[in-house]
Amino acid sequence: AQSVTQLGSHVSVSEGALVLLRCNYSSSVPPYLFWYVQYPNQGLQLLLKYTTGATLVKGINGFEAEFKKSETSFHLTKPSAHMSDAAEYFCAVSEQGGADGLTFGKGTHLIIQP
Amino acid sequence: NAGVTQTPKFQVLKTGQSMTLQCAQDMNHNSMYWYRQDPGMGLRLIYYSASEGTTDKGEVPNGYNVSRLNKREFSLRLESAAPSQTSVYFCAGSSGGSTDTQYFGPGTRLTVL
Repeated sequence: AQSVTQLGSHVSVSEGALVLLRCNYSSSVPPYLFWYVQYPNQGLQLLLKYTTGATLVKGINGFEAEFKKSETSFHLTKPSAHMSDAAEYFCAVSEQGGADGLTFGKGTHLIIQP
Repeated sequence: NAGVTQTPKFQVLKTGQSMTLQCAQDMNHNSMYWYRQDPGMGLRLIYYSASEGTTDKGEVPNGYNVSRLNKREFSLRLESAAPSQTSVYFCAGSSGGSTDTQYFGPGTRLTVL
């Protein structure tokens, strides 16, 4: 069985500061990893994903994440926060060979202070 | 392209009433999914359909049924709504592989009184 843990239900950073959202996973097989973002009253949209190859993955809006197998982590970062980054962020995992949906973390609400 | 659409956007039901949530996609997705989102719980998979004509249970299927009407449409039915089913429901579609991006609809906010 697979699971995802996101540390911190709320993270607050100042505009221009580094954004770091933490995600750790548990999986019996090498996983595929995703970060989704949800803006208020909207559906989810993909920020980035790791499948195979380079472990540092770049996504939209200046976000990136690094897959670290030894730490079972896939933390999301952005060098400089913008007010428009305020949203809910979800880390998710799917297993190789499975087409049976994603397992999501509980989400992290990112607050940007002016 | 409209992407993934859901109807209705909002619904209020009384305990015991039934209703069907509709989902349609014009992205030629093979696989479709229904999730529910509850505060502090993330999204949890209710049912999925890996291809037209097949459906399978996800993590929280109790109290729900689904129909994959054709490749485009995947509906979720609550036969006898309960307050515990108050939630935001999201439909998603993908090409079907485990690496594929899932594309989400805008959601249906359901309240059961």
